[in-house]
Amino acid sequence: KQEVTQIPAALSVPEGENLVLNCSFTDSAIYNLQWFRQDPGKGLTSLLLIQSSQREQTSGRLNASLDKSSGRSTLYIAASQPGDSATYLCAALNNAGNMLTFGGGTRLMVKP
Amino acid sequence: NAGVMQNPRHLVRRRGQEARLRCSPMKGHSHVYWYRQLPEEGLKFMVYLQKENIIDESGMPKERFSAEFPKEGPSILRIQQVVRGDSAAYFCASSPLWAGQGSEKLFFGSGTQLSVL
Repeated sequence: KQEVTQIPAALSVPEGENLVLNCSFTDSAIYNLQWFRQDPGKGLTSLLLIQSSQREQTSGRLNASLDKSSGRSTLYIAASQPGDSATYLCAALNNAGNMLTFGGGTRLMVKP
Repeated sequence: NAGVMQNPRHLVRRRGQEARLRCSPMKGHSHVYWYRQLPEEGLKFMVYLQKENIIDESGMPKERFSAEFPKEGPSILRIQQVVRGDSAAYFCASSPLWAGQGSEKLFFGSGTQLSVL
């Protein structure tokens, strides 16, 4: 059974800092690894998707890496802004392509 | 494209009543997924449907819960005889193709917050 863990659970940083969010998963047999953003009272917004054959994906100030063999992914946020404050979720898609297993999330607060 | 639409946004039910949650996928999407987020817990997969078919319901509780995605109309998650433990945020997601294509993103709705009194 896949288990996804995110560290840290919460993070508070001053504006402008670069930061790294960590995600680990127990079963390396995945189709892809996805990072989402969740704002309070709202749904999830897809940020980055890394296919199992890829090592990283970039979008603007965001960069996500994937190391399947070690069961790890990281989300790097450059030059953080107060608007980045949200909960960040990573999720692994199983080999059947049916089911995302989510981590517990990292609650990020970026202070002006 | 209006995105994935879920309604109602908030639903209050008394114990023993039925709850019906609706999800209209994005236009052109024929794959629908339901997830549940219990208080202080992560999102958990419930069921994956294609038009008129349940593909994977391994995350659905064995009793009281059912889901459908008819040929016409929205997908419905139905909870019979609700109990307080059913209180949670229920999210629906859709994709145009099978998510296992490798690069298919899921698009999530804003969720329905179910409160059972």
